[in-house]
Amino acid sequence: EVQLVESGGGLVQPGGSLRLSCAASGLTFSNYWMSWVRQAPGKGLEWVANIKKDGSERNYVDSVKGRFTISRDNAKNSLYLQMNSLRVEDTAVYYCATERPSGCDYWGQGTLVTVSS
Amino acid sequence: IQLTQSPSSLSASVGDRVTITCRASQGIRSYLAWYQQKPGKAPKLLIYAASTLQSGVPSRFSGSESGTDFTLTISSLQPEDFGTYYCQQLNSYPQTFGQGTKVEIK
Repeated sequence: EVQLVESGGGLVQPGGSLRLSCAASGLTFSNYWMSWVRQAPGKGLEWVANIKKDGSERNYVDSVKGRFTISRDNAKNSLYLQMNSLRVEDTAVYYCATERPSGCDYWGQGTLVTVSS
Repeated sequence: IQLTQSPSSLSASVGDRVTITCRASQGIRSYLAWYQQKPGKAPKLLIYAASTLQSGVPSRFSGSESGTDFTLTISSLQPEDFGTYYCQQLNSYPQTFGQGTKVEIK
């Protein structure tokens, strides 16, 4: 059974940093592009970033460029999102997901990030 | 690329045929997915590549495309089909989602 388990969320002040992790099991992690998708409270889904199977390509939504960094460790079957200079508008549930060319097939349960003073 | 879903919400009876539309602001080939999300849960992939049913998803769900218009159809609405449905384009960056369609059971 495929499992993606996010961790690292919590309450942080504006301007602060957090590092999210996503632990994968039940799949060959290195065969998958991986994505982070977020959902602000009561709002829709927003794609945040993705990373190629070997980590050689990374893409970001404009609103997080220069502040967030996606990375992965295939030896540890893990995906990460380093979030710096956090803003109130970054408050959301963050999901990791496996990405195929035409859809994201496996999703974690999400981890809540709250940016507030 | 903007994705515009319609309607934003609907209420239908069990057994009804339900259609949700997603219009892309430019061509995205067939790089479109449909998801179902229930409250407090992660999205679930229903359809990928515009019209391919994800493994394990009931056959009452189907997807189609015509140019930049994409449609998700539920042929016979079931009680468990409540939730919010989203389309996503993966053709170009940044990837984008539609704003969602909330489906309620009458």
